[in-house]
Amino acid sequence: TQLLEQSPQFLSIQEGENLTVYCNSSSVFSSLQWYRQEPGEGPVLLVTVVTGGEVKKLKRLTFQFGDARKDSSLHITAAQPGDTGLYLCAGGAAGNKLTFGGGTRVLVKP
Amino acid sequence: NAGVTQTPKFQVLKTGQSMTLQCAQDMNHNSMYWYRQDPGMGLRLIYYSASEGTTDKGEVPNGYNVSRLNKREFSLRLESAAPSQTSVYFCASNHGTGLRYGYTFGSGTRLTVV
Repeated sequence: TQLLEQSPQFLSIQEGENLTVYCNSSSVFSSLQWYRQEPGEGPVLLVTVVTGGEVKKLKRLTFQFGDARKDSSLHITAAQPGDTGLYLCAGGAAGNKLTFGGGTRVLVKP
Repeated sequence: NAGVTQTPKFQVLKTGQSMTLQCAQDMNHNSMYWYRQDPGMGLRLIYYSASEGTTDKGEVPNGYNVSRLNKREFSLRLESAAPSQTSVYFCASNHGTGLRYGYTFGSGTRLTVV
């Protein structure tokens, strides 16, 4: 079973600060996805990265896929209260299946 | 756009009771999935259906059965509920041609077994 570990598990910051969430594995993944989940809802896809070393930017969010395709990071610049939520990384496996990390709960205080 | 619709949203069962969680998608996706989400453990795959007419076990299939009724619908059945099955259940779908567009998730069913 491929495992994905996310760190930290919980992050509380003030509005305007930066934050980084990490996703690590000992396994190689064909792709890596990041989702955000709000209370009472299902996860919503933020980005998919497929190439080792790939960097994608989505407004204030920057996603990076490690060169060896075993790890990824999500960096948020100047966080806002609307960024509050549970961030989940997920690694792609055979059969279009996804293996999810345990999640990082982010709280951005105004 | 409805996307993925799950019913019911909440359910309380007594130990030993049975129930079926319903899931339907209107995006003409080939693949459908059932996950459970427990605190600190992310989402774990219970069963999936790569295409209409096929189903396969995921990481935690014990105590569950599934039916891919047609291309739109994928149901999850608990034959004899146990307190360990208390969780939030999510159904998801995907084109089935790759993961670039990710999964589309329903809003979940919160199940409590007492």
